[in-house]
Amino acid sequence: EPEVTQTPSHQVTQMGQEVILRCVPISNHLYFYWYRQILGQKVEFLVSFYNNEISEKSEIFDDQFSVERPDGSNFTLKIRSTKLEDSAMYFCASSELQFTILTSIEQYFGPGTRLTVT
Amino acid sequence: AQKITQTQPGMFVQEKEAVTLDCTYDTSDPSYGLFWYKQPSSGEMIFLIYQGSYDQQNATEGRYSLNFQKARKSANLVISASQLGDSAMYFCAMRVALNSGGYQKVTFGTGTKLQVIP
Repeated sequence: EPEVTQTPSHQVTQMGQEVILRCVPISNHLYFYWYRQILGQKVEFLVSFYNNEISEKSEIFDDQFSVERPDGSNFTLKIRSTKLEDSAMYFCASSELQFTILTSIEQYFGPGTRLTVT
Repeated sequence: AQKITQTQPGMFVQEKEAVTLDCTYDTSDPSYGLFWYKQPSSGEMIFLIYQGSYDQQNATEGRYSLNFQKARKSANLVISASQLGDSAMYFCAMRVALNSGGYQKVTFGTGTKLQVIP
């Protein structure tokens, strides 16, 4: 069964450093997402991406964040200058189609990357 | 704005018994979908079940069923015949189906931690 993959599974970085979290969505999917989950808290939407551009972003997704689909298979989240509060699990997700009320096109989530900022 | 409320931070259930996890939601949009995800201790998000706002019947998937009460804006998850492997965090979530190019993000609740007791 096709699945979303994410690398690395765990990333430790120092405050102020740049990190790039990588995701390989399911191959025929067109919509891509990043979410984060601070330990013990709920999952929060960061950004959605379609047709090589951001389609929606949350207030969390400020100027230190950026996303890219550099080569047609990878989907990356870059955090330019990490802060302690960026420590969280970051989930990538993808979906084949745009969600409509007539479908149950769920988002397929990757296993997550645990980011620890020290 | 969409909001998901899960009022049970933790639940216990005896193995083989049924359990109901509560979820209420709030949205002004008439077209939306409700989802339940399971997050085991390993961290991945596993899709369980989906209910569209116009669906006339409650969704069922194996041992999972969704008790959808639209007037009350509730979408409780019922797990029948609980198994030890059901011990996990359970998240209720919602997506709003707007026009083409509209919002695709999933809004999550804070989750309920279910523990199945042998």
